[in-house]
Amino acid sequence: EIVLTQSPGTLSLSLGERATLSCRASQTVRSNYLAWYQQKPGQAPSLLIYGASTRATGIPDRFSGSGSGTDFTLTITRLEPEDFAVYYCQQYVRSPLTFGGGTKVEIK
Amino acid sequence: EVKLVESGGVVVQPGGSLRLSCEASGFTFEDYIMHWVRQVPGRGLEWVSLTSWDGGVTYYGDSVKGRFTISRDNSKNSLYLQMNSLQPEDTALYYCARGETYSNYESSWISFWGQGTLVTVSS
Repeated sequence: EIVLTQSPGTLSLSLGERATLSCRASQTVRSNYLAWYQQKPGQAPSLLIYGASTRATGIPDRFSGSGSGTDFTLTITRLEPEDFAVYYCQQYVRSPLTFGGGTKVEIK
Repeated sequence: EVKLVESGGVVVQPGGSLRLSCEASGFTFEDYIMHWVRQVPGRGLEWVSLTSWDGGVTYYGDSVKGRFTISRDNSKNSLYLQMNSLQPEDTALYYCARGETYSNYESSWISFWGQGTLVTVSS
C-alpha cells in the first residue's frame, strides 16, 4: 500500500497569501498518478488536480500542482475567501487507492 | 447536470448487513468507473471500492475486503454497496463517486462525488 503523508496538518494564512501544501508518498507514484481534492465544511470533496499537475475543468489558475516521484505540491498563489478548506491528495497508481490525511487551510 | 444521489444509510447493529444505493444522472453511467469512498465525520477520506464500466472488475480496500461487495446495474444507472458483518469502525459517511482513467481500471481518479449517506453501526 502506498502511504501518503501530507504536511503541514494546518496552514494558517491571510487572504492574498500563497499556500504551499506538501504530499509525500512512501513509494514512487508512477506516471504522476496523483490527484488533489478540496473539501469545504459540510460538503463533499471536489476534484482540483489530476495527473499531478492538470487542473480539472473550471478550476482557477491560482491552483497549481507539481512534483514527481514521491514528492508533490499543491500551490494556491493568492488565497481567496472560498479557498479556506481541507485539501487531500490521492494516489491512483494501484489498489488500494489511498488518500493523505489532509491539510486544513485556515484564515489567520 | 451531473448528479449522484446515495441512499440506504441507517443505524445498524454490529454484525448486521446493509445495502447502499447510488442513483446517477446527467452523464452516460455505463461509460464510467464508479467508486465508494467513506469518511468518518471530522476525519479523513478512505477509499472503499471501485468497479469497472461493466461491473466485471472490482477492487476493494483491505479493511472491507471479504465483507463488502460493489455492484452496478447500468440499465438503472445505479451503483450498489452490499455491506456485511458490519463493525463500529465502519461507521462513516459513504460517498458514491465517478471515476476517470487513462489506463487500467484501478488507476482511476475521482471526478465527481455525491453528497453521501451516513451509516452508523451501534448497538
